[in-house]
Amino acid sequence: QVQLVESGGGVVQPGRSLRLSCATSGFTLSSYGLHWVRQAPGKGLEWLAVLWYDGLHKNYAESVKGRFTISRDNSDNTLYLQINSLRAEDTGLYYCARDLDPSVAVPAAMRIGYWGQGTQVTVSS
Amino acid sequence: QSVVTQPPSASGTPGQRVNISCSGSSSNVGNNYVYWYQHLPGSAPKLLIYRDIQRPSGVPDRFSGSKSGTSAYLAISGVRSEDEADYYCAAWDDRVSAMKFGGGTRLTVL
Repeated sequence: QVQLVESGGGVVQPGRSLRLSCATSGFTLSSYGLHWVRQAPGKGLEWLAVLWYDGLHKNYAESVKGRFTISRDNSDNTLYLQINSLRAEDTGLYYCARDLDPSVAVPAAMRIGYWGQGTQVTVSS
Repeated sequence: QSVVTQPPSASGTPGQRVNISCSGSSSNVGNNYVYWYQHLPGSAPKLLIYRDIQRPSGVPDRFSGSKSGTSAYLAISGVRSEDEADYYCAAWDDRVSAMKFGGGTRLTVL
């Protein structure tokens, strides 16, 4: 049974850093593309980043490029999102998610099939 | 401002057919697969349609997808009260090498 459980959220001051974790189980982490998606209060879903199954290719939304880093630890079955220089507009519910299909090497073909329940990040002084 | 545009709201009475549009450009919707997700409050999003028109197993055939040029459409035939949710389209954008979600459409079943 595929499971994704996010953690690491909380209330953080502007300018600080935060690392979100996504503990996974029920599948081999290195076989699937993994994503982070967030939803700001009262707003829609915003895709943030993808780590390809090969662990080498990464893509980021323009809005977070340079501040966010996606990574994984295969030995720990955990996906991470490092967020630096936090801003008020980073406030939201952060979801980790997994592709439905293994070994997808064409981003346009990535269909997100599994999601966690999200971890809340609030940026406030 | 999202480069993939959806109407903010849609509505229908039980049993009606409801259509939700998703308008993009040649760098995203026009040239790449479109995916549709259903997002119920307090739940994780759910994949409804993939590769423009395909339904994952378990998704009722009341939900269907189509695409023409740089616009895609989600149709819900025989809408039910449990279909009240936010619906998002998404497509890869070749220009920025990133996935783009539409702004979302809130469906109200009257």
